[in-house]
Amino acid sequence: GAVVSQHPSWVICKSGTSVKIECRSLDFQATTMFWYRQFPKQSLMLMATSNEGSKATYEQGVEKDKFLINHASLTLSTLTVTSAHPEDSSFYICSARTGLYTDTQYFGPGTRLTVL
Amino acid sequence: AQSVTQPDIHITVSEGASLELRCNYSYGATPYLFWYVQSPGQGLQLLLKYFSGDTLVQGIKGFEAEFKRSQSSFNLRKPSVHWSDAAEYFCAVGGSGTYKYIFGTGTRLKVLA
Repeated sequence: GAVVSQHPSWVICKSGTSVKIECRSLDFQATTMFWYRQFPKQSLMLMATSNEGSKATYEQGVEKDKFLINHASLTLSTLTVTSAHPEDSSFYICSARTGLYTDTQYFGPGTRLTVL
Repeated sequence: AQSVTQPDIHITVSEGASLELRCNYSYGATPYLFWYVQSPGQGLQLLLKYFSGDTLVQGIKGFEAEFKRSQSSFNLRKPSVHWSDAAEYFCAVGGSGTYKYIFGTGTRLKVLA
């Protein structure tokens, strides 16, 4: 149980284009999803918290206009990197809470984004 | 300030040897503590968690961790390491109701045959 998937697993795009990454909870409803960014050989940095049906809450320093997050249903959240540039290249990981009263997050397999 | 410290960036052990990965935290409220493992190019898998109760927590894959409040530590242990345990290990702390984790910088484990 508590499986989270991400699509695509890797993507290469040209500078200036937009890329959408999907995060799905496969066997549970996720009231809250989280988006992290991980640079090579570094830890995870929380980018934003996404609650179903409401606007995402972004961490300090994260550009909300560049990283658009939509949590339209209890099983799907999307992260769109708009006008991507090489410095946006990174490993993006989502996670989800399994319920309102649980503090455990389950993580997706991640998406490797390379911007040329 | 809230933080998680994993003092060992790299650890190398021989297969069959015991393992201890260190984690120290600084957190203003009652901490919820987690250990995750990440294989190369993969997401994070939950090994174990501590919320309250027995301070010795058993997890998957033969791992255990002990919460020591007086030392602000939550060290991960395994009595006999397998080659498949080679990965990156992350300690994280959260708190009730915040739902946000603070991650340590990770410890990369290498296992020698």
